[in-house]
Amino acid sequence: EAGVTQSPTHLIKTRGQQVTLRCSPISGHTSVYWYQQALGLGLQFLLWYDEGEERNRGNFPPRFSGRQFPNYSSELNVNALELEDSALYLCASSLGLTGTEAFFGQGTRLTVV
Amino acid sequence: QQQVKQSPQSLIVQKGGISIINCAYENTAFDYFPWYQQFPGKGPALLIAIRPDVSEKKEGRFTISFNKSAKQFSLHIMDSQPGDSATYFCAASLLSARQLTFGSGTQLTVLP
Repeated sequence: EAGVTQSPTHLIKTRGQQVTLRCSPISGHTSVYWYQQALGLGLQFLLWYDEGEERNRGNFPPRFSGRQFPNYSSELNVNALELEDSALYLCASSLGLTGTEAFFGQGTRLTVV
Repeated sequence: QQQVKQSPQSLIVQKGGISIINCAYENTAFDYFPWYQQFPGKGPALLIAIRPDVSEKKEGRFTISFNKSAKQFSLHIMDSQPGDSATYFCAASLLSARQLTFGSGTQLTVLP
């Protein structure tokens, strides 16, 4: 069974640009979560989507946004990139509202220069 | 009130020894406590998790001990192996919010 897949694995962007990260959940999982793992800040919750709806949002500015598609895949968009947005962005999925276990992908390493 | 404090920051154990990592939380509403293992360049992998109505859970060499009154929980790795060398994160969550609050991580090194 395929795990959570994320793309791209690495990318480099310039400050002020916009970026889109993609995530495909485990088959059968309807919930998708996004986390940021920045150096020195640890793992921080960004967003939770289930059945196409945003269910919860962490303490991040509005330039961090996302969506979930009918096939349950998800995108994370970050506008007006700042240097401190450099981090590993992790996507996780679970069995929806009844699933407690979240399984993470390998992440997208974003470097903002 | 959302913080999860994890200690130690780093831990070195001999092969065959017991590794113990501790976490403390503040929010008494948390109702789900997982532990994750992360290798360099990989995403965190779920190891074991516990709900607050249970004081201990064991899966293979991994055991979670949970003390609700003290608001503390710990991970014990028995018979530690060099392959266990990784960073371990505790976390806590309100299941209804699905927002995992992670500890700062413990870098475990198991010497051969």
